[in-house]
Amino acid sequence: DSGVTQTPKHLITATGQRVTLRCSPRSGDLSVYWYQQSLDQGLQFLIQYYNGEERAKGNILERFSAQQFPDLHSELNLSSLELGDSALYFCASSPTSGRARTGELFFGEGSRLTVL
Amino acid sequence: GENVEQHPSTLSVQEGDSAVIKCTYSDSASNYFPWYKQELGKRPQLIIDIRSNVGEKKDQRIAVTLNKTAKHFSLHITETQPEDSAVYFCAASPSGGTSYGKLTFGQGTILTVHP
Repeated sequence: DSGVTQTPKHLITATGQRVTLRCSPRSGDLSVYWYQQSLDQGLQFLIQYYNGEERAKGNILERFSAQQFPDLHSELNLSSLELGDSALYFCASSPTSGRARTGELFFGEGSRLTVL
Repeated sequence: GENVEQHPSTLSVQEGDSAVIKCTYSDSASNYFPWYKQELGKRPQLIIDIRSNVGEKKDQRIAVTLNKTAKHFSLHITETQPEDSAVYFCAASPSGGTSYGKLTFGQGTILTVHP
């Protein structure tokens, strides 16, 4: 168990719909990262939040958005869903202070999204 | 942006043999290079990492080497065991500030260790 919690584990929805994926980072971790894993694109960095603020952006579509709340949990919103958005979405957190700046990302178990 | 190429895409070895996976990267600003192992249906987990001020790092049967001049790094697994079977990903990122988690991953190598 990495300490990172993601919900839901599985989600099936239709094209055009909107879904929200939720992530709770490890206790004390201020950074949350979202990654998308698909067969054709591999593991791709989407976005990073640090203590409530957007810190880095990757190949995230305009239809996708994220936020990190004061309690440090994060949500990834995916809208106007297309078949190609079907993927495994991982959230990860990392320690960012003191002895814990090892660089390791702790991944959650992922949310598998299927768009029909 | 950064581009990481990983080879081979599949690797099949006999138990006890060594396995080597190679990666190249494009951005000279990258200086943090982790390797993640992902078992089927599971989350990626860090197995070893190296920073640019180090040329080699070992952890029991696993070692990583880095050649910054050539922009390539490699994972070496010795005395492979069936439980080493998984997908291995290399990655690169800048390690300044809080950005080391912004990883660019290679495409992955499916390692199969036959008993």
